[in-house]
Amino acid sequence: AQTVTQSQPEMSVQEAETVTLSCTYDTSESNYYLFWYKQPPSRQMILVIRQEAYKQQNATENRFSVNFQKAAKSFSLKISDSQLGDTAMYFCAFMKPPYLYGGATNKLIFGTGTLLAVQP
Amino acid sequence: DAGVTQSPTHLIKTRGQQVTLRCSPKSGHDTVSWYQQALGQGPQFIFQYYEEEERQRGNFPDRFSGHQFPNYSSELNVNALLLGDSALYLCASSPTGIAEAFFGQGTRLTVV
Repeated sequence: AQTVTQSQPEMSVQEAETVTLSCTYDTSESNYYLFWYKQPPSRQMILVIRQEAYKQQNATENRFSVNFQKAAKSFSLKISDSQLGDTAMYFCAFMKPPYLYGGATNKLIFGTGTLLAVQP
Repeated sequence: DAGVTQSPTHLIKTRGQQVTLRCSPKSGHDTVSWYQQALGQGPQFIFQYYEEEERQRGNFPDRFSGHQFPNYSSELNVNALLLGDSALYLCASSPTGIAEAFFGQGTRLTVV
């Protein structure tokens, strides 16, 4: 069974600074997907960034980038130039590839989250 | 594109009652998954529907059941409500064969 671990329950960063959120996972699969989701107080889970395990290049989305270390089963999120709107709960999640037959997407397995507070 | 929509946004029920939550997936998405998120925790997978059938199920009792309609919308039913069922229920939709999931704003269920 796959597990996702986020060891930082809370973090704080000053506006415009850089912060890194940690995530480790355990799986015997060779191909899979990893995600970072953001959940602000509005409750809606918003996709921040996605990484495919077979791609060696780290994913980047504007101010958000990941450090994917497949051998170490580590998947950290770096937020550059932090903004007040980045204040939220951040969840790391794992997904196996879609089924070959039927096309159904697999389930997400989430970590327990890291509460990030951006201070003015 | 309206995205994933869930109704209602908030609900208060009494122990022992039954509840139905509804989800309309993002346009073009045919897979719907339901998650339960207890306060301060990460979402836990309940089940997933694809082609109107339950395809995967998490570690939840039979009191939790669901349905998917031909237009891909879905319902989550919970019978014999317990206090411990109080949580945020999230619906996520995905397109065929694509490893992505888009979430609705959730339904906050309180059981008293």
